[in-house]
Amino acid sequence: GENVEQHPSTLSVQEGDSAVIKCTYSDSASNYFPWYKQELGKRPQLIIDIRSNVGEKKDQRIAVTLNKTAKHFSLHITETQPEDSAVYFCAAPSSGTYKYIFGTGTRLKVLA
Amino acid sequence: DAGVIQSPRHEVTEMGQEVTLRCKPISGHNSLFWYRQTMMRGLELLIYFNNNVPIDDSGMPEDRFSAKMPNASFSTLKIQPSEPRDSAVYFCASSSVTTGGYTFGSGTRLTVV
Repeated sequence: GENVEQHPSTLSVQEGDSAVIKCTYSDSASNYFPWYKQELGKRPQLIIDIRSNVGEKKDQRIAVTLNKTAKHFSLHITETQPEDSAVYFCAAPSSGTYKYIFGTGTRLKVLA
Repeated sequence: DAGVIQSPRHEVTEMGQEVTLRCKPISGHNSLFWYRQTMMRGLELLIYFNNNVPIDDSGMPEDRFSAKMPNASFSTLKIQPSEPRDSAVYFCASSSVTTGGYTFGSGTRLTVV
């Protein structure tokens, strides 16, 4: 079945630095990859997504890149701010179903 | 749209009692998912429905857990009898084929003492 691996599990960066979180997936038929941000005590919220027909998508300080050949996708956060501190989850669809497989999460700490 | 609505937000119950969690998906979304989140196990998919029909309940821990979706705007997750190890945050999420991804509800924090 589909498997999604996410690295690193924790990441600490200085405010203003960049952060990169990487995920790999196993199902080559996967065609949509969302990223979720979960702040402490709150729900996971979709922050950016990418479809398989593009290699990169940007939204202000966040971007996602996709390498379909290597079957990995990454979240990039530039000019990090303390409010970026949260747990980030990647996900990939489980082909033939309506569900998504989530990565195990990355706890990002932005140090002021 | 008010998003995915879950109730109650918090539930504290004694071991052995029945617990019912409720969810109203976003109107027009045809898939609904129940997740459980703990520090130890992360986000676990318990069950999901498509067009009100249960599709995959392989994540339901045991017979004490049951879920229903009687119509497109309402679902319940029931635990009977509850146990302390059921303590977790339970999220409901919905999606549609056109939007992709999930929209999560605010969750129900369940504590079984």
